[in-house]
Amino acid sequence: EAGVAQSPRYKIIEKRQSVAFWCNPISGHATLYWYQQILGQGPKLLIQFQNNGVVDDSQLPKDRFSAERLKGVDSTLKIQPAKLEDSAVYLCASSQDSENYGYTFGSGTRLTVV
Amino acid sequence: GQQVMQIPQYQHVQEGEDFTTYCNSSTTLSNIQWYKQRPGGHPVFLIQLVKSGEVKKQKRLTFQFGEAKKNSSLHITATQTTDVGTYFCAGRNTGGFKTIFGAGTRLFVKA
Repeated sequence: EAGVAQSPRYKIIEKRQSVAFWCNPISGHATLYWYQQILGQGPKLLIQFQNNGVVDDSQLPKDRFSAERLKGVDSTLKIQPAKLEDSAVYLCASSQDSENYGYTFGSGTRLTVV
Repeated sequence: GQQVMQIPQYQHVQEGEDFTTYCNSSTTLSNIQWYKQRPGGHPVFLIQLVKSGEVKKQKRLTFQFGEAKKNSSLHITATQTTDVGTYFCAGRNTGGFKTIFGAGTRLFVKA
């Protein structure tokens, strides 16, 4: 089966600019996650979707971050405006459900804000 | 809020030595997952433990879930250079939707 696709792989932007990341989960996976992984740390959940509904976005900085999952398939994560501390790898993951299956992660987007 | 702590942060071993990483949660977990992330890569799912006291094995890897379902361990017997990477535990709290990742244990193996 095809894995979780993410694009772009790398992005360099200046602070205060905007950026968007795209994720295509494994076909049939109802649950989709966006994680932020800062160098040397574990992944931190930003937002969790079940189909096209938001299950948890308690750690999403909503003043600058937004995410959507239209039609319950693809998802986009946007940052506007970016700050230096947003430099991280943004990982998308999907699973068949949120409780009984492990997550399949994409290769991530490495964001550098200068 | 729920916290998941892992120790040690780093471990250097000689090839052939054993390795163990420990994971502790501040709350009772409904399940715990383990992932491996190679340098420059993304986390890859290894296993999920659900039952109190559960022990599962994958070749040289042994995973254990504590009786109280608040701690877990991953033990690697006779490490190989291919075991290099960061091992993360991820715990889901009872009655919750969220799975929280620990900070990981980075394993270095010297040939």
